Amino acid sequence: VVLTQSPGTLSLSPGERATLSCRASHNINSNYLAWYQQKPGQAPRLLIYGASSRATGIPDRFSGSGSKTDFTLTISRLEAEDFAVYSCQQYGSLPYTFGQGTKLEIK
Amino acid sequence: QVQLVQSGAEVRSPGASVKVSCKASGYTFTDYYIHWVRQAPGQGLEWMGWIHPNSGGTKFAQKFQGRLTLTRDTSINTSYMDLTRLRLDDTALYYCARELVAGLDFWGQGTLVTVSS
Repeated sequence: VVLTQSPGTLSLSPGERATLSCRASHNINSNYLAWYQQKPGQAPRLLIYGASSRATGIPDRFSGSGSKTDFTLTISRLEAEDFAVYSCQQYGSLPYTFGQGTKLEIK
Repeated sequence: QVQLVQSGAEVRSPGASVKVSCKASGYTFTDYYIHWVRQAPGQGLEWMGWIHPNSGGTKFAQKFQGRLTLTRDTSINTSYMDLTRLRLDDTALYYCARELVAGLDFWGQGTLVTVSS
């Protein structure tokens, strides 16, 4: 399953709403789609699993939605610490592929 | 608390092999898959494979078949990634991470493997 994320780079200001897309080449089994946040020099951090469930400790401004081939990560009101790279991953069928990432930068 | 602690940076020549360890603590090691993911400089994440520490069963991405071996030692809660016939484009940060059908929820700190002639 090839995952294509868009846009490649998203420039927004703190307080704005961010909408990131992840499109799959085939239906993802059981909506096994996760989102990760990665900051420079750090390991990825799990945000969302099962397409829409927030991982432990993740603020409720992060939400995931979608099914089959179209998925979205929404950050309702951006805070300074949210500017990072976001990657989606499907774990419904082997190999467990990642998208190429969306860089969320401060405008 | 859950921790995955990886071994230190490695430098290898093309054609050599490298073995990276990932020591788990703070949870029952045999209950969770351990995945290996790599990230080349300035690039995205690439899934390599997983091992289930309880059974020792493994799955790999096709591109690593024949070069990648994943093992574990349950007596010391440690998983190992062994990559052979290294090429220049294997230079990357290698991560281990645990999973139980809910995404990769805890990650190691990463191990930089540099392949250089």
